[in-house]
Amino acid sequence: GENVEQHPSTLSVQEGDSAVIKCTYSDSASNYFPWYKQELGKRPQLIIDIRSNVGEKKDQRIAVTLNKTAKHFSLHITETQPEDSAVYFCAASSGTYKYIFGTGTRLKVLA
Amino acid sequence: NAGVTQTPKFRVLKTGQSMTLLCAQDMNHEYMYWYRQDPGMGLRLIHYSVGEGTTAKGEVPDGYNVSRLKKQNFLLGLESAAPSQTSVYFCASSWQGGQPQHFGDGTRLSIL
Repeated sequence: GENVEQHPSTLSVQEGDSAVIKCTYSDSASNYFPWYKQELGKRPQLIIDIRSNVGEKKDQRIAVTLNKTAKHFSLHITETQPEDSAVYFCAASSGTYKYIFGTGTRLKVLA
Repeated sequence: NAGVTQTPKFRVLKTGQSMTLLCAQDMNHEYMYWYRQDPGMGLRLIHYSVGEGTTAKGEVPDGYNVSRLKKQNFLLGLESAAPSQTSVYFCASSWQGGQPQHFGDGTRLSIL
C-alpha cells in the first residue's frame, strides 16, 4: 500500500544552524504535500505545503522542495531557534480523502 | 472563529465501557476525519466523512463507529473500549480532499 518514509526520526542542531527533514512517498498520484509542526501536547499545525506543479516554496525561514521524479520532498529550516523544537510530520495526498503521514521527526534546537 | 473543537480533552475508561468523542468545526468544511496518534506511528486514519450524512472506513476502523448527522459535527464512538484503544485522538477537517487539514486539540484517552 501507499506509504511515506520520513528521516531522520530525531535531529539535534545548534541554534542558528539549518535543519533538513526528508520524506519519500510511494504513490505516484500524490500531488499535495503538507508539513505539520506539533509541539508537545498540542495539535499538529500546518506550517507549509507544496503542490506537484511547483518545485520549491519558501516562507521566511522555512522552505519545502519537491522532486517528483525521485518522489522526494524535504523541509528546510534555516537559522533555527529554540522555539523550532517540536515534532515535524510530512504527508502526501492524491487529492482524495487520503493523507499518508510520515512517522515524524523530533527536532531539538540546542541553545 | 474556533476552528476545530474536540470534547472531551481527557478521559479514562474501564475496559468494556463506551463513550463518544465529539468534534465540531465552524469553517463550513465538507471533509472531516478522525485519526489516532500512537508513539512512533504517526497519524492513522480511523474514519472519515466527505459530507453531511456520509461516513467511510479509514486505515484502522475496527472497534470504532462514526456519525455525521450535521455538517459541522463528526462523532467518534467506542462501543466496548479495549486497552489497545488507548491513544490520542485527533479530529481534522478540510474544505476538500488534497487541501490543508485543520486539527483539533486532541483527546487523550486511556483504557484501563
